[in-house]
Amino acid sequence: EADIYQTPRYLVIGTGKKITLECSQTMGHDKMYWYQQDPGMELHLIHYSYGVNSTEKGDLSSESTVSRIRTEHFPLTLESARPSHTSQYLCASFGPTNTGELFFGEGSRLTVL
Amino acid sequence: SQKIEQNSEALNIQEGKTATLTCNYTNYSPAYLQWYRQDPGRGPVFLLLIRENEKEKRKERLKVTFDTTLKQSLFHITASQPADSATYLCALDPSGSARQLTFGSGTQLTVLP
Repeated sequence: EADIYQTPRYLVIGTGKKITLECSQTMGHDKMYWYQQDPGMELHLIHYSYGVNSTEKGDLSSESTVSRIRTEHFPLTLESARPSHTSQYLCASFGPTNTGELFFGEGSRLTVL
Repeated sequence: SQKIEQNSEALNIQEGKTATLTCNYTNYSPAYLQWYRQDPGRGPVFLLLIRENEKEKRKERLKVTFDTTLKQSLFHITASQPADSATYLCALDPSGSARQLTFGSGTQLTVLP
């Protein structure tokens, strides 16, 4: 079982609120990712981190921001949530394995009213 | 533009039969192709990776083929069980670094008892 954790699993908030989705991994992986997934749709990369103090925006434009102050922690923040931000947000990490696999968290399902 | 297509419709099969899922891609030269399983409301879980110079990979009841000429991967589950019911995602990686991992929208498989 993957050692990568996301909180909260579910969040319902009103428009205009600031939210932070937490993601932590205990595997010591340098590379971490945030994906956004709508029901029945593909995962889209919104943020990527090579390591501490290194972050990049992904292929899908997102109004969210991320930080990477510690290797194990990669939080995602929305300063002012809107209904269009309603989605499933998945955090993942990548480490030096032979399989090349991504380890995913269980996801945070965000609903903005 | 790069495109990944998986079985457009959900797949229903009888328990004990072999399920075959398709992943086609265009305008892409992947170094690796991966398959993930995703259960409702959960994060994807890695199943298998196949490299561009490999034709076939097996793991227990799973088999993946990779035809770079046809630009297609087939994912087989033999002796399927109701517990295999899930959405299966293929993902293409041009470099092996996971930075540019692109996911298909998945095929929903239901194994009927």
